Amino acid sequence: AQSVTQPDIHITVSEGASLELRCNYSYGATPYLFWYVQSPGQGLQLLLKYFSGDTLVQGIKGFEAEFKRSQSSFNLRKPSVHWSDAAEYFCAVVLHGNQFYFGTGTSLTVIP
Amino acid sequence: GAVVSQHPSRVICKSGTSVKIECRSLDFQATTMFWYRQFPKQSLMLMATSNEGSKATYEQGVEKDKFLINHASLTLSTLTVTSAHPEDSSFYICSASWDRGRYQPQHFGDGTRLSIL
Repeated sequence: AQSVTQPDIHITVSEGASLELRCNYSYGATPYLFWYVQSPGQGLQLLLKYFSGDTLVQGIKGFEAEFKRSQSSFNLRKPSVHWSDAAEYFCAVVLHGNQFYFGTGTSLTVIP
Repeated sequence: GAVVSQHPSRVICKSGTSVKIECRSLDFQATTMFWYRQFPKQSLMLMATSNEGSKATYEQGVEKDKFLINHASLTLSTLTVTSAHPEDSSFYICSASWDRGRYQPQHFGDGTRLSIL
């Protein structure tokens, strides 16, 4: 079945440490790929997106993500996490038109 | 950037009442709006897609008579939860996009927390 998988339900990191959130998809073609962040009780904010070209994309708030076709992955990274980064992170894909398919999310806790 | 306003942000009402949620695109014309439902600690599930001036397309398993969607203008879509019951309690999020070829960017509202007593 076609899906978007975020293997880590919850991740805890120390402030200042590096972060990597995993995302895998299982579709025949390369979809458009996105990472969103959601603070409690809020909507979603787009962090970054990949359409084509350079497989390392830069986003807002110091985040970046790397598309690896061979692994069907689009992992999100940040070199140094800030306490304000604590939130829920969703990976999403668009196959055609504009229908988004979201992963189940990864909850990030940042400890001082 | 593009702004989508969703109102109300939170609503509490008695079982059996109908609740209307508004989604407005403030600085662009939204040809397409989407309605999602999110249960606690879960991802967003697409409920329906609505194009301005036409009937909404509902995802499988979503009751169209239960969740009425109207997209009468390019800046406003409404979701009405009819005869709401406690199991309808959830976080509802709208998003809006405009026509830009294959990829139509989606901009999300801040969501509506619906609690049915």
